[in-house]
Amino acid sequence: SYELTQPPSVSVSPGQTARISCSGNTLPRQYAYWYQQKPGQAPMLVIYNDNERPSGIPERFSGSSSGTTVTLTISGVQAEDEADYYCQSADTSGPSGEVIFGGGTRLTVL
Amino acid sequence: QVRLVQSGAEVKKPGASVKVSCKVSGYTVTELAMHWVRQAPGKGLEWMGHFDPEDGKTIYSQKFQGRLTMTEDTSTDTAYMELSSLKSEDTAVYYCTTLTDWGQGTLVTVSS
Repeated sequence: SYELTQPPSVSVSPGQTARISCSGNTLPRQYAYWYQQKPGQAPMLVIYNDNERPSGIPERFSGSSSGTTVTLTISGVQAEDEADYYCQSADTSGPSGEVIFGGGTRLTVL
Repeated sequence: QVRLVQSGAEVKKPGASVKVSCKVSGYTVTELAMHWVRQAPGKGLEWMGHFDPEDGKTIYSQKFQGRLTMTEDTSTDTAYMELSSLKSEDTAVYYCTTLTDWGQGTLVTVSS
């Protein structure tokens, strides 16, 4: 089965750009999705299909893809962006596609 | 807009079963690909399985094969997740989700 690998933590100062990577062998063939989760809350979708933003998500959130790595970029980070971020894709190596999540990245706004 | 409202917290003993409900509004449950995802305390998200309305199949993570049953009641637009043979490691918040919209989560505590 496939895995998605994320850095455990990323720290940035307010106004800077945060980049969170997610690597996995399934990513060249499957879309990636990104979720933001704040303490005590359910996850929230912030990027789908590698680089699309759902309605209501600020423009400072963007996604990109290159080979086996996808990246979530938050430009002009704000204090409210401090959260855990998870990437997600699909594992199609077996007869039925399974959903896989990365281990999560804690974004700290200094 | 899809709204997912889950049942309340549960406390179970090891070996017991738990059934969590997820009431759908804004759509019918048969229109949605409903997933179940759990999160142990202080840990990441773990996908458990989902129902695909396009082919009517339920796909379970291999980790939960034989212990997990996902069902739907179309008369009440409610999805259910039942996990049996509970262990302490099953203590977690369980979410129903379309992967776009999420329920509020249900804490299941397994303790003797």
